[in-house]
Amino acid sequence: DTEVTQTPKHLVMGMTNKKSLKCEQHMGHRAMYWYKQKAKKPPELMFVYSYEKLSINESVPSRFSPECPNSSLLNLHLHALQPEDSALYLCASSQRGTGLETQYFGPGTRLLVL
Amino acid sequence: AQSVTQPDIHITVSEGASLELRCNYSYGATPYLFWYVQSPGQGLQLLLKYFSGDTLVQGIKGFEAEFKRSQSSFNLRKPSVHWSDAAEYFCAVGAPTGTYKYIFGTGTRLKVLA
Repeated sequence: DTEVTQTPKHLVMGMTNKKSLKCEQHMGHRAMYWYKQKAKKPPELMFVYSYEKLSINESVPSRFSPECPNSSLLNLHLHALQPEDSALYLCASSQRGTGLETQYFGPGTRLLVL
Repeated sequence: AQSVTQPDIHITVSEGASLELRCNYSYGATPYLFWYVQSPGQGLQLLLKYFSGDTLVQGIKGFEAEFKRSQSSFNLRKPSVHWSDAAEYFCAVGAPTGTYKYIFGTGTRLKVLA
């Protein structure tokens, strides 16, 4: 099973709201990733967790706050977002995150910030 | 620095015709190479990957890719395209060690004519 699930599928939020995106995998992977994808563009890496520790933050604004409660779950907490943050947010996982590995992607959460 | 180029932004083929999507990379050694497909509004699905060994790689959905070191290419092929193959295709490369990061190409959008 190579499934990564993400909830919700769609999210509309105002600029003053606080919301969270959730990602889950049950493949026993120990690395999880958040990507942001704008329309007609490739995904851009935001964060990487390896063994539940944040290992990469690609200079993402603090209004995005990741959390990895356990090896199967990854959250992205959103607060005071801007309209330009509207995008498809993709979660991925890989085996260990100790080097380049095959990443398995979820279906994404489409976020609209009004 | 690593980079990857997908020279064709859009490709249109007729159903049943053959397909080749181009991917060229720049890297000092043999990178890890991937092809992903993304249907509209969906996540990325891994089609195939190359780490080492046989330079002709078979993937899912009837796709194959050939790694050509001399040309720094990893082109994706399919002998007979189906209407359901219409999607965005991303080539990704990465260094085998020292980084978690994929470098994605800009993508090729495939349109299939009935």
